[in-house]
Amino acid sequence: GAVVSQHPSWVICKSGTSVKIECRSLDFQATTMFWYRQFPKQSLMLMATSNEGSKATYEQGVEKDKFLINHASLTLSTLTVTSAHPEDSSFYICSASKREWYEQYFGPGTRLTVT
Amino acid sequence: DAKTTQPNSMESNEEEPVHLPCNHSTISGTDYIHWYRQLPSQGPEYVIHGLTSNVNNRMASLAIAEDRKSSTLILHRATLRDAAVYYCIPPQGGSEKLVFGKGTKLTVNP
Repeated sequence: GAVVSQHPSWVICKSGTSVKIECRSLDFQATTMFWYRQFPKQSLMLMATSNEGSKATYEQGVEKDKFLINHASLTLSTLTVTSAHPEDSSFYICSASKREWYEQYFGPGTRLTVT
Repeated sequence: DAKTTQPNSMESNEEEPVHLPCNHSTISGTDYIHWYRQLPSQGPEYVIHGLTSNVNNRMASLAIAEDRKSSTLILHRATLRDAAVYYCIPPQGGSEKLVFGKGTKLTVNP
């Protein structure tokens, strides 16, 4: 299967600071990337869909000014959590896909802890 | 959009087959059924997808009912590494989006 990486794998930051998470498709060009969030013992919740070169589409209830998504190339998307607060602490996971595929390939996730 | 129903949890013994059911009675005729799994502290992993007939790949088999209102993911010989949460995911009206429900937590006993 295709490989998707995320960096960093974990990060601790102080309340009020911003954190950037990278998602890369290593062996394919992804036409679409997705960002999810997962709280402990809960399922994944889709935050936004990102297509290369265009603005991300956010799910209802997700603040686009707080969670900035940039999809600058066919292999890289970034999620920036701005002015992070303890309630933003979560497991953030990206996935990538190509238009002609039925499946998505997921990164290993980034665990964010805001103190 | 179609919705799914899965048991919260199931248990199996190592090297025995496992049948994970999913009910998707509201699925439309052209919607694919997708299965993913998530091992602890990892991102989800694609398992299999299908439309009407049964599908096989190196990881699992997918048996789809003739009326398409349900499907069963079959792991032919469970291993300890198969312990995960298995998600049966309905399509979202032609969208690429995946909407994850609670899934079935599979425990594999040695």
